[in-house]
Amino acid sequence: DADVTQTPRNRITKTGKRIMLECSQTKGHDRMYWYRQDPGLGLRLIYYSFDVKDINKGEISDGYSVSRQAQAKFSLSLESAIPNQTALYFCATSDPQSGRYTGELFFGEGSRLTVL
Amino acid sequence: DQQVKQNSPSLSVQEGRISILNCDYTNSMFDYFLWYKKYPAEGPTFLISISSIKDKNEDGRFTVFLNKSAKHLSLHIVPSQPGDSAVYFCAASGADYGQNFVFGPGTRLSVLP
Repeated sequence: DADVTQTPRNRITKTGKRIMLECSQTKGHDRMYWYRQDPGLGLRLIYYSFDVKDINKGEISDGYSVSRQAQAKFSLSLESAIPNQTALYFCATSDPQSGRYTGELFFGEGSRLTVL
Repeated sequence: DQQVKQNSPSLSVQEGRISILNCDYTNSMFDYFLWYKKYPAEGPTFLISISSIKDKNEDGRFTVFLNKSAKHLSLHIVPSQPGDSAVYFCAASGADYGQNFVFGPGTRLSVLP
C-alpha cells in the first residue's frame, strides 16, 4: 500500500461544483502539502501545513481551501470549481525532524481533476 | 516569472550514453536544490540533492553539479538506461521560502535502446 494515498485518482466535474480531494499518509510526518501540476509550469504549491493546527497559503491558494483533520489527513477543497482548475493535483509529506532530513517530499500518486 | 527554469522540455539520449539535464534559477537566496523523477501515473520521487556549500554531489549513476555564480545546476546520468526515461524536475529552496520548494517545469528524458 502507498504511504501517501490520494482519493479520488480521477474526477470529472462541472463548473460551479464543490470538489474535495483527500489525502492520507501512514508515514507519521507532521508536514503535508498540496501541489498542482500543469504542463510547462511544473508543480506549484497551493497550501501547506506543518502540523495539525498550522495552515499556510502557498503560491496559488486563490479558489482553494484546505482542512487538516488529523496528523495523517489533509484535504483540499474547491468550493466552486472552474475550468482553469483542471490539473493534476499532488499531496506530499515531509519530515524535517528526521536526522537524515534532505528536504525530501514524499508524494502521492496524484488526483487528476477535469472541470468542464 | 519562473524562478526555476528548465529550458529543455525534452531530451533524447542513447542507452549507455550520458544524459545531462539543466536547471537555472534566478533567486540568489536559493541555497538547497533537489531533483525529482516522475514516471507516468505516479507521483514524483526524490532523486538527489545538493546544498549551496557544495559544488557536486554523487549517488551511483547520478551526479548533480552546482555553479552558484552562474545560478545553474545540472544532473548527469551515466550510463543512461531505458528505465531512466521519465520527467525530471529541479526544485530549489531558501530562507525566503520557509523550507518550501519552487519547482521547475520539468524535462522529459527518453533513453533509447
